[in-house]
Amino acid sequence: EPEVTQTPSHQVTQMGQEVILRCVPISNHLYFYWYRQILGQKVEFLVSFYNNEISEKSEIFDDQFSVERPDGSNFTLKIRSTKLEDSAMYFCASSDVPAVETQYFGPGTRLLVL
Amino acid sequence: QKEVEQNSGPLSVPEGAIASLNCTYSDRVSQSFFWYRQYSGKSPELIMSIYSNGDKEDGRFTAQLNKASQYVSLLIRDSQPSDSATYLCALTSSGGSYIPTFGRGTSLIVHP
Repeated sequence: EPEVTQTPSHQVTQMGQEVILRCVPISNHLYFYWYRQILGQKVEFLVSFYNNEISEKSEIFDDQFSVERPDGSNFTLKIRSTKLEDSAMYFCASSDVPAVETQYFGPGTRLLVL
Repeated sequence: QKEVEQNSGPLSVPEGAIASLNCTYSDRVSQSFFWYRQYSGKSPELIMSIYSNGDKEDGRFTAQLNKASQYVSLLIRDSQPSDSATYLCALTSSGGSYIPTFGRGTSLIVHP
C-alpha cells in the first residue's frame, strides 16, 4: 500500500538554527500539506500546496516557514530560525484531490528545539 | 474562529463495552465532521466521516451528528484493548474547505 514517508523521524536542533523537514508524498498525489502537533495539544494546519504554490496557509505559517517541492518526489518544510516553541511533531500529508477524506498522513518528524 | 471541544479523558471502559466519545463545536456553519484515531507517537488516521444529521455506521463504529445541538459523537461497540488511543474530532466549514480543524482529542483506555 502506498504511503507518505518523512525524514528524519527525529531532529534535535539549537534555537536559531535552520531545519528542513522532508516528505515524500504518495506518487500520484497532487495536494500536499503540513500540520504540526505540539506535545499534548491539538493537530494544527500549517500550509497546503498545489501546482507548485501555496494554496492556503494558517496564521502559524509566518515568514519563518517556507515550503518547496524541489523535485518530482520531495516536499519540504523549512523553518529558518527555530524557536523553542517550534518543538512539535510535524506531519506531512498528501491527497489526490482536495478533500479531507483522501488526505494520508506521514509518520511525522519530531522536532526538538533546545 | 472554529472551536472544537472534547473531554481530554481518559475514558476507561472494559473490554467488550461500548465506548462513547463526544465532541461539541462552536461554528454553526460547520458542515463536515470527522473522527480520527491517533496512537501515541503516531499520526492521525481517519476512521469516520459524517455530513448529515443522524447516525452513520461502519463496522464497530457509529458516528452521530446533531447539528442543531452542535454535537457529534463516536460510539465504539465491543471495545478492544487495541482501540486504546486518542480519538480526535475534526470539522470543516462550508464552502468546500478541505482543511480540518481538530479538537485536542479524548484518550480512550480499554482494559481487559
